[in-house]
Amino acid sequence: QLQLQESGPGLVKPSETLSLTCTVSGGSISSSSYYWGWIRQPPGKGLEWIGSIYYSGSTYYNPSLKSRVTISVDTSKNQFSLKLSSVTAADTAVYYCARLRPPTHPFDYWGQGTLVTVSS
Amino acid sequence: DIQMTQSPSSLSASVGDRVTITCQASQDISNYLNWYQQKPGKAPKLLIYDASNLETGVPSRFSGSGSGTDFTFTISSLQPEDIATYYCQQYDNLPFFGGGTKVEIK
Repeated sequence: QLQLQESGPGLVKPSETLSLTCTVSGGSISSSSYYWGWIRQPPGKGLEWIGSIYYSGSTYYNPSLKSRVTISVDTSKNQFSLKLSSVTAADTAVYYCARLRPPTHPFDYWGQGTLVTVSS
Repeated sequence: DIQMTQSPSSLSASVGDRVTITCQASQDISNYLNWYQQKPGKAPKLLIYDASNLETGVPSRFSGSGSGTDFTFTISSLQPEDIATYYCQQYDNLPFFGGGTKVEIK
């Protein structure tokens, strides 16, 4: 059974960089069939897709966040990571990692989510 | 970017009722439309993919239909465990979610 687990600091200061890692178990992140992505959800609000990556390293990002987002993959550790720079209180959210299944890219496996609060 | 308009934003229905949620895309997305259920404090769960295909293990009271710009998600007989927020998600080069529909029991 595929499992995804987010990890990283739960508190980040304004203007700093938010960094999270998603560890995949029960399957290989190098599978040629799937993409991997990050989604966030501010408290009490809806879901926002942040960006996605293929095991080869090709990425695509939400245009509204593109200037601040970097997603990378480490196939040797079966992990992919998110960096969001210059954070503000508006970036406070539960951050989820998930697998995307081509061709219509549903997010079919999700991590449990991790709350990141931006505050001084 | 393609905009997704999901409605209603909330609804209240009785156990056993038929519940319908709609999602409208700002342009043709073929059948690239998926539906999720999210219970409080939990990650979303994929219910329907490719507009009308039931994900493995999902009860048959859930269904989806539509193509192009107009899509419908239906719960044929609402159960107490279906209380949740439901989201549509489109994929046309980039994946975006609808605003969500909170379903409550009357």
